[in-house]
Amino acid sequence: EVQLVESGGGLVQPGRSLKLSCAASGFTFSNYYMAWVRQAPKKGLEWVATISTSGSRTYYPDSVKGRFTISRDNAKSSLYLQMNSLKSEDTATYYCARQQVYYGSLYYFDYWGQGVMVTVSS
Amino acid sequence: IQLTQSPSLLSASVGDRVTLSCKGSQNINNYLAWYQQKLGEAPKLLIYNTNSLQTGIPSRFSGSGSGTDYTLTISSLQPEDVATYFCYQYNNGLTFGSGTKLEIK
Repeated sequence: EVQLVESGGGLVQPGRSLKLSCAASGFTFSNYYMAWVRQAPKKGLEWVATISTSGSRTYYPDSVKGRFTISRDNAKSSLYLQMNSLKSEDTATYYCARQQVYYGSLYYFDYWGQGVMVTVSS
Repeated sequence: IQLTQSPSLLSASVGDRVTLSCKGSQNINNYLAWYQQKLGEAPKLLIYNTNSLQTGIPSRFSGSGSGTDYTLTISSLQPEDVATYFCYQYNNGLTFGSGTKLEIK
């Protein structure tokens, strides 16, 4: 059974940093692209970052590019999201997700974790 | 690509055939998925590539569409289908619709 368990969320002041982690199990982690998707309170979903199987390629939307960094440790079956210069609009539940890819194109997310809450407030 | 879902709120009776709509601002080329999110839970993949049913999803769920217009259909609404449904496109960028909240009448 695929399991994704996020950790590291909490309350952080604007401008500060936070690092999220995701522990994966139930599949061969190193064979899959992985991603982070967030959901602001009572809002829709927003893709935040994707990383290739080896970690050599990363992808971000403009809203977080330059502030967030996705990384992975295949030996530990773990995914990370380093979030710097946090803003109030980054307040959301952050989900770790497994992403399907075909011929280098990013496709859909087929498994999701339960999410971790990040609140950016003074 | 912007995705517009309609209606934003839908009330239907158990056993009804329910249709949810998702319209793109540009051609999506069938690179569309649907997710179900129950209250307090993570999203669950229902449909990918417009009409492919994810493993383990009941056959009462189906997807269709082409170009800019796509539909999720529940053939016979069940009480456990109460949720918010999001469409998601991966043809040009990665974007989600704003969701349709489905309630039981």
